[in-house]
Formats: sequence, C-alpha cells, structure tokens
Amino acid sequence: TQLLEQSPQFLSIQEGENLTVYCNSSSVFSSLQWYRQEPGEGPVLLVTVVTGGEVKKLKRLTFQFGDARKDSSLHITAAQPGDTGLYLCAGQVRNTGGSNYKLTFGKGTLLTVNP
Amino acid sequence: DTEVTQTPKHLVMGMTNKKSLKCEQHMGHRAMYWYKQKAKKPPELMFVYSYEKLSINESVPSRFSPECPNSSLLNLHLHALQPEDSALYLCASSLKPPTYEQYFGPGTRLTVT
Repeated sequence: TQLLEQSPQFLSIQEGENLTVYCNSSSVFSSLQWYRQEPGEGPVLLVTVVTGGEVKKLKRLTFQFGDARKDSSLHITAAQPGDTGLYLCAGQVRNTGGSNYKLTFGKGTLLTVNP
Repeated sequence: DTEVTQTPKHLVMGMTNKKSLKCEQHMGHRAMYWYKQKAKKPPELMFVYSYEKLSINESVPSRFSPECPNSSLLNLHLHALQPEDSALYLCASSLKPPTYEQYFGPGTRLTVT
C-alpha cells in the first residue's frame, strides 16, 4: 500500500513556466518534508511543514501543508534549468509507536526544466 | 552545519568480496539510517539506529550487516553481495522529535560484478 501518492511522476517544462507537484495520502502526518535530489547525489532537505494549513516559501518555491495534514503541494514559479531534479515528499505518519523514526516517501517527481 | 559524510563515493566489488561503507555526522543527531536507492526511485529504508542501538531492520538480507560504533559513526558491512544489490546507498541522520527531519549524505554508488 502506497501511503503517499505523489504526482506527476514525470514533468518536462520550459524555462520560465510554473509547476505544481502534489503529495496526497489517506493518513495523517505529524510532519512532511520535501527533498530535491540530483543524479548521483543524496536528497537535500528543502523544507519541513508541521502545522495544518502551513505555507512556507523558499525563493521561487512555495510549500503548502493541507489543513488536515494529509496532503501537501510544492509550487515552483518561473522554473529554471537549475531546478531540474527528483523531488521527493516524505512524512512521518502519526501514532506509529516505535516506527516514529521512519519516513514514508512518495515515488518522486522527476522534473526537467529545458532552457 | 547539516553535513553527513559518506565514504567511499564509488565502490566496485565482486560477489565474493567483503567491503564496508562508512558514514559520519557531527550534528549531535541520535538517529542514523541506511537506505538503498535504485535509479529514479525513492530511497528504501534498510536499517535505523536510535541512540546507537538497532531499532529497525526492514527484513534486509544478512549479507548486509550494520554497525554503529558510536553516536557519530555508522558502518554497513557487505559480504557475498549479488549484482542486484548494485545501487546508491544513502546514510541519513536525524535529531529528535517533533519533526524527525532527516539529513542525507551524498551516498556511495555500489556496483557488484
């Protein structure tokens, strides 16, 4: 069972376009993280959202956590080639007892921004 | 400083070799993790150490043997691997609640021949 549904799986756009990546679940998350990963490197933490309804901005990236803490989105404005990479959402499901250290990952969104 | 370091960066080993992957962090984090990642897929959790004790083993084959010598170091000992074990092996660490956000190292690219 995939706890975190991430979409789209692949996205190829032109420089300057906007895009949104979605992460949805039927489970409630204590917190949710977004990572970006470049080929051959480890994922880099972009943001953590904790509070339902929370919105965080990181330059041209806007992250939202759903009111019910079951979904999240990442919006990129005026994408640039440097934004190319694998975007991963990951979260901790509430009330998992000893598994609280486990991150549940979405399948990832492979973004290509063409110049 | 949110750095997790991993060595080596690349490793090629035969199916009869014994090798070790190393991970280090000096952020005072008390949880450390090993993940396996195939190309264009999300990381798959292998092991979790909490306060230097193994707390989660995701049914990983015994040819992978983790070790946590102290709170800053994490090793993964490899023996008699199969070609399908070729992957990017990632180490991560996290502080403590409430967010459990994990910081990843750059990974070791392992090729089993």
